[in-house]
Amino acid sequence: ETGVTQTPRHLVMGMTNKKSLKCEQHLGHNAMYWYKQSAKKPLELMFVYSLEERVENNSVPSRFSPECPNSSHLFLHLHTLQPEDSALYLCASSQGLAGAYEQYFGPGTRLTVT
Amino acid sequence: GQQVMQIPQYQHVQEGEDFTTYCNSSTTLSNIQWYKQRPGGHPVFLIQLVKSGEVKKQKRLTFQFGEAKKNSSLHITATQTTDVGTYFCAGNNNDMRFGAGTRLTVKP
Repeated sequence: ETGVTQTPRHLVMGMTNKKSLKCEQHLGHNAMYWYKQSAKKPLELMFVYSLEERVENNSVPSRFSPECPNSSHLFLHLHTLQPEDSALYLCASSQGLAGAYEQYFGPGTRLTVT
Repeated sequence: GQQVMQIPQYQHVQEGEDFTTYCNSSTTLSNIQWYKQRPGGHPVFLIQLVKSGEVKKQKRLTFQFGEAKKNSSLHITATQTTDVGTYFCAGNNNDMRFGAGTRLTVKP
């Protein structure tokens, strides 16, 4: 158990749906991250939050909207997704910003867009 | 921008054989991290290397950081079936980038 939980674990949604992914960390960390993991591609960093402020947005389409209401919770709001957005979405946290600190990953949400 | 290349993409070995994965960065790194992801699982932190030429060992795993801090390797001695998974490096230079990973399969 890594101390980072994600819900739901699996999600199937149509292109016109709106859904949200939730991440919660129980480690007292200050930084949280969203990654996208597709087959045959490196882990893609999407968003970085430090002390509830977004510090990085790696050119992610606006159909992905992150929210960090407090240092323990991170959401990824999804709307009008495309089939190519189907992937494993991983949340991670670290004591400080990644690079200096190890990241703890959640189990991920397997998203399928139909 | 910074790029982190990792080779090989796949490696299939017989149990008991050694395994090595290599990570190369286009820029000098502040540090590098290694993660392991079991099939169906999520990445789990293994180790961090910071110093030029650093070598660290964890049982059968040996991690090296190059003198120029632009490359790194992970070597597993006498692989076991429990070593199966994908090994990722993540290089940091004010911006952490993951390599594509090396998927290791081990035949009993």
